[in-house]
Amino acid sequence: ETGVTQSPTHLIKTRGQQVTLRCSSQSGHNTVSWYQQALGQGPQFIFQYYREEENGRGNFPPRFSGLQFPNYSSELNVNALELDDSALYLCASSLPGYEQYFGPGTRLTVT
Amino acid sequence: DAKTTQPTSMDCAEGRAANLPCNHSTISGNEYVYWYRQIHSQGPQYIIHGLKNNETNEMASLIITEDRKSSTLILPHATLRDTAVYYCIVRVGVNRDDKIIFGKGTRLHILP
Repeated sequence: ETGVTQSPTHLIKTRGQQVTLRCSSQSGHNTVSWYQQALGQGPQFIFQYYREEENGRGNFPPRFSGLQFPNYSSELNVNALELDDSALYLCASSLPGYEQYFGPGTRLTVT
Repeated sequence: DAKTTQPTSMDCAEGRAANLPCNHSTISGNEYVYWYRQIHSQGPQYIIHGLKNNETNEMASLIITEDRKSSTLILPHATLRDTAVYYCIVRVGVNRDDKIIFGKGTRLHILP
């Protein structure tokens, strides 16, 4: 059984650019959730995808968007990057309502 | 906002039991108590969850008070690798899609 994987591990972008982060869910899981974790804080919920449709969204602006593919892998896209977008981005996969299993995260630095 | 209250930090000697408390006085009848931990710069790791009965697995035990307003996570024989931030979370149980709302957690230091 393969766990949750994320790519890339680290990324450096310039303010105003766009970024795409990727997540492969654990085998058999059809739900993917994305979280942003700023330094020293707990993870904050961005949104969740269930069977390719958005299924809940946290308090993040529309420039944060996502996709889920038929194989249940997922992308997080962030447009017009701001300095405050620098954070660890985590994805978690699960079956609906069950415990979520997290990937190692992507560390995004915006300069 | 998180529906739980935890101490900011705790210390525990290696080999001893680590008891991490959590208050969730506004928990609803259909909400479970979940515990996750996050070792530095890694993704959170699921530990255990329960509704009203005490639970035990290979990692930890979860003790939930009878009124369900508080709980304690017990790591029976703490090791240095248990140093992490521990998050206590309440969320609706199975058959519902829902987000995890993390609070600030408890930073547990295991002392050699």
